[in-house]
Amino acid sequence: TQLLEQSPQFLSIQEGENLTVYCNSSSVFSSLQWYRQEPGEGPVLLVTVVTGGEVKKLKRLTFQFGDARKDSSLHITAAQPGDTGLYLCAGGGNKLVFGAGTILRVKS
Amino acid sequence: SAVISQKPSRDICQRGTSLTIQCQVDSQVTMMFWYRQQPGQSLTLIATANQGSEATYESGFVIDKFPISRPNLTFSTLTVSNMSPEDSSIYLCSVEDEGFEAFFGQGTRLTVV
Repeated sequence: TQLLEQSPQFLSIQEGENLTVYCNSSSVFSSLQWYRQEPGEGPVLLVTVVTGGEVKKLKRLTFQFGDARKDSSLHITAAQPGDTGLYLCAGGGNKLVFGAGTILRVKS
Repeated sequence: SAVISQKPSRDICQRGTSLTIQCQVDSQVTMMFWYRQQPGQSLTLIATANQGSEATYESGFVIDKFPISRPNLTFSTLTVSNMSPEDSSIYLCSVEDEGFEAFFGQGTRLTVV
């Protein structure tokens, strides 16, 4: 069974700070995805990383896929209150496996 | 991408009763997925609903408790039967595209009293 470990579980930071969320596994994934979920909504896909070593940028968010395709990271530069939410990594094909999630709270 | 409409968005139910959650997709899909989520936590897959066949349930979830219907390629329902307070949770339906990227409904927040 493929498992995804996500850390940290909770982050509370001030507006303007930088942060990194990690997603790790002992298994190789063909791709990994990152989702953000706001209260009262379903998760929304942010990005999919496919190639080992790949780096993708989405405005202030930078996503990286490990060379061995077993891990990924999400880095947010100059966090804003609008970044507040639950961040989930996922992978595994047609029956997705989700990480435990990281609750991010950005205070103004 | 896919647009998913899920209803109700929330409900408060008496223990012992049942609630049926509906999920409508704006395109035809082979598989639809039902998840349970405690607020602020990860998603747990309940079952996969395939059109024209019985749903496939994950370990710990049974058809008698969570019956699923899948009458066509754009619609599915999940019923939470004989509810207890432990069933209080967020229930989400989703579909995946060819790249296994998931699209979710807005969720149903269920409170059992």
